[in-house]
Amino acid sequence: AQSVTQLGSHVSVSEGALVLLRCNYSSSVPPYLFWYVQYPNQGLQLLLKYTTGATLVKGINGFEAEFKKSETSFHLTKPSAHMSDAAEYFCARDEGAQKLVFGQGTRLTINP
Amino acid sequence: DVKVTQSSRYLVKRTGEKVFLECVQDMDHENMFWYRQDPGLGLRLIYFSYDVKMKEKGDIPEGYSVSREKKERFSLILESASTNQTSMYLCASSLYISPQHFGDGTRLSIL
Repeated sequence: AQSVTQLGSHVSVSEGALVLLRCNYSSSVPPYLFWYVQYPNQGLQLLLKYTTGATLVKGINGFEAEFKKSETSFHLTKPSAHMSDAAEYFCARDEGAQKLVFGQGTRLTINP
Repeated sequence: DVKVTQSSRYLVKRTGEKVFLECVQDMDHENMFWYRQDPGLGLRLIYFSYDVKMKEKGDIPEGYSVSREKKERFSLILESASTNQTSMYLCASSLYISPQHFGDGTRLSIL
């Protein structure tokens, strides 16, 4: 079955440090890929999406992700972490017919 | 901005009760979805709908049903609630190709 794997259920970085959240997907065809963020007691908010075209995708709040077909990866990065980035992050792929398959999530903690 | 509204943020019900979770979207989206979210499992699709009176099973439909009588409203029904249905439930909607827009979720406890 086609799937999405997020490496690391918890990631902790210092404020101002690089954020790197890893996502790998399995797919027989180039997928549509997404990163969502969930703040405590809220629903999911779209950070960014890759459909076609440029493989480096910029999103909100300074996040970006790079689609690497050869590595089947779509890792999320931010150059400098802020305390407000503490949240849970979900990678997802569109498996067709507008259905999303989600990774298990990565909880990001920012240390002062 | 798209608004997806779930009727309850927190809900406590008893085993065996019939439970209704309501979701309304205000952007005339064709597609609507119900997920449950559990720690370590991410989001799992329960049911979805592409149009009024239309429904499709997702990955974990057992113990659930849905109703879509109007385009803007998509209801999730727990026919006879059980403790293993204690979870966070998220509704989403989308127009044709995703991304999906999510509500704030309903945290349901079954005692």
